[in-house]
Amino acid sequence: TQLLEQSPQFLSIQEGENLTVYCNSSSVFSSLQWYRQEPGEGPVLLVTVVTGGEVKKLKRLTFQFGDARKDSSLHITAAQPGDTGLYLCAGTHINTNAGKSTFGDGTTLTVKP
Amino acid sequence: DTGVSQDPRHKITKRGQNVTFRCDPISEHNRLYWYRQTLGQGPEFLTYFQNEAQLEKSRLLSDRFSAERPKGSFSTLEIQRTEQGDSAMYLCASSPRDRARYEQYFGPGTRLTVT
Repeated sequence: TQLLEQSPQFLSIQEGENLTVYCNSSSVFSSLQWYRQEPGEGPVLLVTVVTGGEVKKLKRLTFQFGDARKDSSLHITAAQPGDTGLYLCAGTHINTNAGKSTFGDGTTLTVKP
Repeated sequence: DTGVSQDPRHKITKRGQNVTFRCDPISEHNRLYWYRQTLGQGPEFLTYFQNEAQLEKSRLLSDRFSAERPKGSFSTLEIQRTEQGDSAMYLCASSPRDRARYEQYFGPGTRLTVT
């Protein structure tokens, strides 16, 4: 079974704080995506990483792909209440076909004003 | 481009009834996926189409579930003889042609409640 483990499961912080959430697997990914999901809605794609060691920045969000392409992290600087949501990582493992992405169970982030 | 759309957004049905959901992907996306998501969990893969061909179906999917994409555009997911355990959010996603990055663009989902 190709599992993606996300940590922490829940995170509650004050506005202005920094945070990092993690996505780990024992398997190698060909690509990994981060999504943000709000209650009652579908996930919204934030970023895709494909190269080991890759770092991508999206405003206050920084995404890093591990050198071995087995793990990833999402760092948010100066969190805002609008960042509140469920952050999901999803990966396509190197040995699977184009159709199947495996999702983690997400990190639920709450940013208090 | 209006994004992925799903219909209905909410469905309440009694146990034993059949339900059908529709997904309209982003135009020109040749890959279409169905996922199921329950509270506190990430989306769980159900099935995948490339154009009109159903290329993979999860082993977790019982014979009561069937999906079609007859003309390689919209797709339907049917659940026969619904059970309370089928209550979940059903998500559809599509992915662009010739992209090796497997980025998926999701619709808003259909929330199914089986009473």
